Amino acid sequence: AQSVSQHNHHVILSEAASLELGCNYSYGGTVNLFWYVQYPGQHLQLLLKYFSGDPLVKGIKGFEAEFIKSKFSFNLRKPSVQWSDTAEYFCAVSVLYNQGGKLIFGQGTELSVKP
Amino acid sequence: DTAVSQTPKYLVTQMGNDKSIKCEQNLGHDTMYWYKQDSKKFLKIMFSYNNKELIINETVPNRFSPKSPDKAHLNLHINSLELGDSAVYFCASSHRGGEQFFGPGTRLTVL
Repeated sequence: AQSVSQHNHHVILSEAASLELGCNYSYGGTVNLFWYVQYPGQHLQLLLKYFSGDPLVKGIKGFEAEFIKSKFSFNLRKPSVQWSDTAEYFCAVSVLYNQGGKLIFGQGTELSVKP
Repeated sequence: DTAVSQTPKYLVTQMGNDKSIKCEQNLGHDTMYWYKQDSKKFLKIMFSYNNKELIINETVPNRFSPKSPDKAHLNLHINSLELGDSAVYFCASSHRGGEQFFGPGTRLTVL
C-alpha cells in the first residue's frame, strides 16, 4: 500500500532561519505531489503541487519544493521563515488513474517559529 | 465566495445519537471527498464520490453513510455515534486526481 512519511514531527525555528521539511513516499507509479498547510484552527490550504515538468516547484508565501524521483522525495523549503509560518504542514500524494485520486497524507510536521 | 462549505462547524452530541454533516462545493468539480482528522492531526480518506457515484470506501464502519444528491453536494450521516468518532471531518473537492480544495472542517465531539 502507498504511504507517505514526513521526517520531522515538530520543528522549532527562530525567525529568518531556513526551513527544510522532509517527505518521502512509497509508490512506484505516477503520482501527483502536494504540500498543504493548516494554520491553527483552520482548514488545509495548498502551498504547492507537482504534477509533471520542472521538479523544482514554487508555491505561495515563498515556499518551494523539489521532487527527486530516484529518492521518492518531495522536500519543502523556505529560505527565511516568519512567525506567521507557524502551522502544521502536510505532505500528500495522489495516485493517478486509479483509487479515485485520493490523497494519502503524511503524519504532519508542526512548525513553531519563535519571534 | 466560499468554494467548499460545510455545516455545522461544531457538533457536540451524546453517544448513540445520529447526526449529519453537509458539504457543498461551487467549483464545478466532479469529485468530492470526506477525510477524518484525528486528535493527532493525522488525515485519512474516508469516502470519495465521482459524479454522484461512490468510488472510494476506505474500510469505514457502516455506521457512516455518505450521500451525494448531486455533483455539488456530499453529505455524511453517522448512526449510533461512538466516543471514537470524535474528530474533525473535512470535505474536499477536485477534478479527479487534481488539486483538492478543502472545506473549513466540522469538529465533532461525542460525549
